[in-house]
Amino acid sequence: AQSVTQLDSHVSVSEGTPVLLRCNYSSSYSPSLFWYVQHPNKGLQLLLKYTSAATLVKGINGFEAEFKKSETSFHLTKPSAHMSDAAEYFCVVSEGTSYDKVIFGPGTSLSVIP
Amino acid sequence: GAVVSQHPSWVICKSGTSVKIECRSLDFQATTMFWYRQFPKQSLMLMATSNEGSKATYEQGVEKDKFLINHASLTLSTLTVTSAHPEDSSFYICSARSPPGYGYEQYFGPGTRLTVT
Repeated sequence: AQSVTQLDSHVSVSEGTPVLLRCNYSSSYSPSLFWYVQHPNKGLQLLLKYTSAATLVKGINGFEAEFKKSETSFHLTKPSAHMSDAAEYFCVVSEGTSYDKVIFGPGTSLSVIP
Repeated sequence: GAVVSQHPSWVICKSGTSVKIECRSLDFQATTMFWYRQFPKQSLMLMATSNEGSKATYEQGVEKDKFLINHASLTLSTLTVTSAHPEDSSFYICSARSPPGYGYEQYFGPGTRLTVT
């Protein structure tokens, strides 16, 4: 069975400092992993995805994530936070590439302090 | 990238009435669409998987007679909340899965906020 844990429900960083949002997953098979961002009262935007290719995945807006199978982790990072990064971030897991069912993590709320 | 639209973006209805939400894939055909529900400050919960031309598959605990799903064409799925009550107020998000030759991934709609008074 699949599951996703986002270790921090809320993260607060100062503008210009690095961002780290943590995600651990559990999956019986080779997972596909995603990070989505949701701004207030908006839909979801895909930041990046891992589907068994390169373990370091670069996404939009300067975000990247590294798939570490030994640690069952897929943490999201950004070198320098911007005010516009303040939003809710969801780590998502899907077994294989069929996308038959995806499981959302509980989300991490990112605040950026000016 | 692929675009999925939802209509309406927000709706207010009275208790006891029914509301229909549309989900459309605008530039690809989707044999499978998904419906999610999101409560305030919570994550998305999968409600059902909608397959074109067949019955939807509902997740455990989701009342299929209350949340009617129809996937009549390859670009349209609808969710009808029947006899809505205030506890049905929520943010409903759909996604459409693109075909294998188009990435075979889920693209999400912008969501529909339902408020039942």
